[in-house]
Amino acid sequence: EVQLVESGGGLVQPGRSLRLSCAASGFTFGHYAMHWVRQAPGKGLEWVSGISWSTDNIGYADSVKGRFTISRDNAKNSLYLQMNSLRTEDTALYYCARGYCSTTSCEFDYWGQGTLVTVSS
Amino acid sequence: IQLTQSPSFLSASVGDRVTITCRASQGIKIYLAWYQQKPGKAPKLLISAASTLQSGVPSRFSGGGSGTEFSLTISSLQPEDFATYYCQQLNSFPYTFGQGTKLEI
Repeated sequence: EVQLVESGGGLVQPGRSLRLSCAASGFTFGHYAMHWVRQAPGKGLEWVSGISWSTDNIGYADSVKGRFTISRDNAKNSLYLQMNSLRTEDTALYYCARGYCSTTSCEFDYWGQGTLVTVSS
Repeated sequence: IQLTQSPSFLSASVGDRVTITCRASQGIKIYLAWYQQKPGKAPKLLISAASTLQSGVPSRFSGGGSGTEFSLTISSLQPEDFATYYCQQLNSFPYTFGQGTKLEI
């Protein structure tokens, strides 16, 4: 059974840093791209960042570029999101999602339950 | 790439047929997915490649379109279908979601 379990969320002051983790199990982690998606309270979904299985393709939303860094450790079956210079507008539930791509499509086929990040003074 | 979903809110009844549309600001071939999200839950993948129904998803759900115009249709609404639906483009980074369509009774 595929499982994605996020951790590392919490209350943090503006300008500070936080590191999120996503522990994966039930599949060969090193074969899949992985992504972070967030959802502010009462709002829609926002793609934050994604990383290919080999780490040679990484992308960020404009809203986090230069502040957030995605990384992965295939040996530990783990995905990370280093969040620096946090802003109040970064407050959200952060989901980890597995990305699957074929020759004709891509999708996020499995999602974790999310970890809540609250940025407030 | 911007995705515009319409409508943002949809009020319907059990048994109704409803269609949600998703328009991309530039062509994305069929790199479009649809997700369903219920309150307090993670999104669930319904459709990939614009029209491929995921295993276990009821056949009353269908998707169509290519390029810039896409649709999600529910042929006969069931009580468990009342949720928020999102489209997502996966043609190129940054991947983007539509703003969502809340389907209410």
